Amino acid sequence: EAGVAQSPRYKIIEKRQSVAFWCNPISGHATLYWYQQILGQGPKLLIQFQNNGVVDDSQLPKDRFSAERLKGVDSTLKIQPAKLEDSAVYLCASSSILDRGRTQYFGPGTRLLVL
Amino acid sequence: AQRVTQPEKLLSVFKGAPVELKCNYSYSGSPELFWYVQYSRQRLQLLLRHISRESIKGFTADLNKGETSFHLKKPFAQEEDSAMYYCALRGTSYGKLTFGQGTILTVHP
Repeated sequence: EAGVAQSPRYKIIEKRQSVAFWCNPISGHATLYWYQQILGQGPKLLIQFQNNGVVDDSQLPKDRFSAERLKGVDSTLKIQPAKLEDSAVYLCASSSILDRGRTQYFGPGTRLLVL
Repeated sequence: AQRVTQPEKLLSVFKGAPVELKCNYSYSGSPELFWYVQYSRQRLQLLLRHISRESIKGFTADLNKGETSFHLKKPFAQEEDSAMYYCALRGTSYGKLTFGQGTILTVHP
């Protein structure tokens, strides 16, 4: 089966600019996650969707970050405006409700550098 | 609050030696614990989960609720085990995963 797809793979922007990331989960996976991984740290969940509804966005900086999953399939994560501390790898993952979300399948990530 | 601590950022062993990657957690209820692995130039992937009580690629991990630990062990390390290993915790079904900071394992020939 095709894995989780993400684009772009790399992005360099200047602070105060905006950026958007796209994720297409594994077909049939109802749950989609966005993680932020800062260099030297483990992934931190930003937002979790179940179909097109938000399950957890408690760690999403809502003043600058937004995410949507309009049709319950692919998703976009946006940062506007970006700050230097947003430099990180943004990982998308998906899971199936059939195993209660115990196995998360990760995409390759988007590496963001904010200058 | 849920927290995962991996005290070793780097761990080096020689091929054939036993290896143990430490993971301690903080959670007031009954958590689910996982080990994820990222090999060079590959995606982060699930290695094993405590609920399955399985051995994957020779690795095992036992949940010790008394010591709040979930250490990953392998009796004889192989060079292909070299990777970044993350311990992760989930407090509730469908709940979020909280990851530790990761341990880079290097297995020397």
